[in-house]
Amino acid sequence: GDSVTQMEGPVTLSEEAFLTINCTYTATGYPSLFWYVQYPGEGLQLLLKATKADDKGSNKGFEATYRKETTSFHLEKGSVQVSDSAVYFCALSLIQGAQKLVFGQGTRLTINP
Amino acid sequence: DAGITQSPRHKVTETGTPVTLRCHQTENHRYMYWYRQDPGHGLRLIHYSYGVKDTDKGEVSDGYSVSRSKTEDFLLTLESATSSQTSVYFCAISGSGEDEQFFGPGTRLTVL
Repeated sequence: GDSVTQMEGPVTLSEEAFLTINCTYTATGYPSLFWYVQYPGEGLQLLLKATKADDKGSNKGFEATYRKETTSFHLEKGSVQVSDSAVYFCALSLIQGAQKLVFGQGTRLTINP
Repeated sequence: DAGITQSPRHKVTETGTPVTLRCHQTENHRYMYWYRQDPGHGLRLIHYSYGVKDTDKGEVSDGYSVSRSKTEDFLLTLESATSSQTSVYFCAISGSGEDEQFFGPGTRLTVL
């Protein structure tokens, strides 16, 4: 079945460090890909998305490129801030209409000042 | 922020008791979803709705039922709660032709 695999966490970095969180997927068709972020005590928020191969999603300094050849959608940020501390989820969706998201297990990111 | 509320926000109950969680939206979105979040599993879809009285099963639907009698309300019922249903439950909504889901604040359920 369809699945998403994220790098194991937790990840701890210093402020201004470069961030990469790996995400790979398995899908029978051509999914849309998403990164959601969950701040402490809150629900998930969409961070960025890409709907077809080679698309780059970007938001708040974060970027991810839809790589069909490697079935990947890695999240990157050039210089992280303490406020980026959160749990990050990679997800895919294949269905138009009702978007039944399939999530990775989540990666907890902590940024130290 | 999308207008989604969940009630209750926290609940402790005992094994074997029925539990109903409520999701309420003010966005008039067509689609509504219930997920559960567990460590090491991310979020998993329990049930979803594509209109009033129209629902379908997700990945982990066993032991759960849902109802949607109005556009704005989506209820999740645990007919007889078990300890394995201890989790954080999130409701989400999305509109027709949109691929972004908006999530509620979550309900933490503990089954003793």
